[in-house]
Amino acid sequence: RKEVEQDPGPFNVPEGATVAFNCTYSNSASQSFFWYRQDCRKEPKLLMSVYSSGNEDGRFTAQLNRASQYISLLIRDSKLSDSATYLCVVNIRGGGNKLTFGTGTQLKVEL
Amino acid sequence: EAQVTQNPRYLITVTGKKLTVTCSQNMNHEYMSWYRQDPGLGLRQIYYSMNVEVTDKGDVPEGYKVSRKEKRNFPLILESPSPNQTSLYFCASRKEGMNEQYFGPGTRLTVT
Repeated sequence: RKEVEQDPGPFNVPEGATVAFNCTYSNSASQSFFWYRQDCRKEPKLLMSVYSSGNEDGRFTAQLNRASQYISLLIRDSKLSDSATYLCVVNIRGGGNKLTFGTGTQLKVEL
Repeated sequence: EAQVTQNPRYLITVTGKKLTVTCSQNMNHEYMSWYRQDPGLGLRQIYYSMNVEVTDKGDVPEGYKVSRKEKRNFPLILESPSPNQTSLYFCASRKEGMNEQYFGPGTRLTVT
């Protein structure tokens, strides 16, 4: 079983749609959680951290369920510019600088 | 401009010919890492460094070496490259105590 699992997609959605991505992680010692965005052939960039209470940044909402070891990302009113691959990332306590990445979920927003 | 730079950006080489991919950051970050990204496997950590002269293996260190003689530089060395090291490589850095990891633009390596 992979340490971080994501549905690879692609998710093809019309502009303005709401789309949700899910991610599960296997290591209960995971301490920090993030969503990164990666455009085609570019470097990943931090989209947002994920906090236990859930957090929102504009059209983006991230939630964490520690009991189920589950992370989600919700994008409301999706834009063409949201088209990218979204990477779920976890950091294990005591793991030094080790971030474990999911393989990513590809989103395509269409007119 | 705060950034992580990598060179070269693209490299095609032959099996067995030693190569070095340089990585440099100008943000005075303590942590630096190297990752490789392959289709279906995602980003996997090769080596990381928590500070000068402190390095440790990541998930896939075989066939790679690193050094951290200065805080800003973290070169990745392939002593004898093989075709299975054909991949997209990213260097990254992070400030101690902070969550955000900054990635370089990537180096696309092809070993024939």
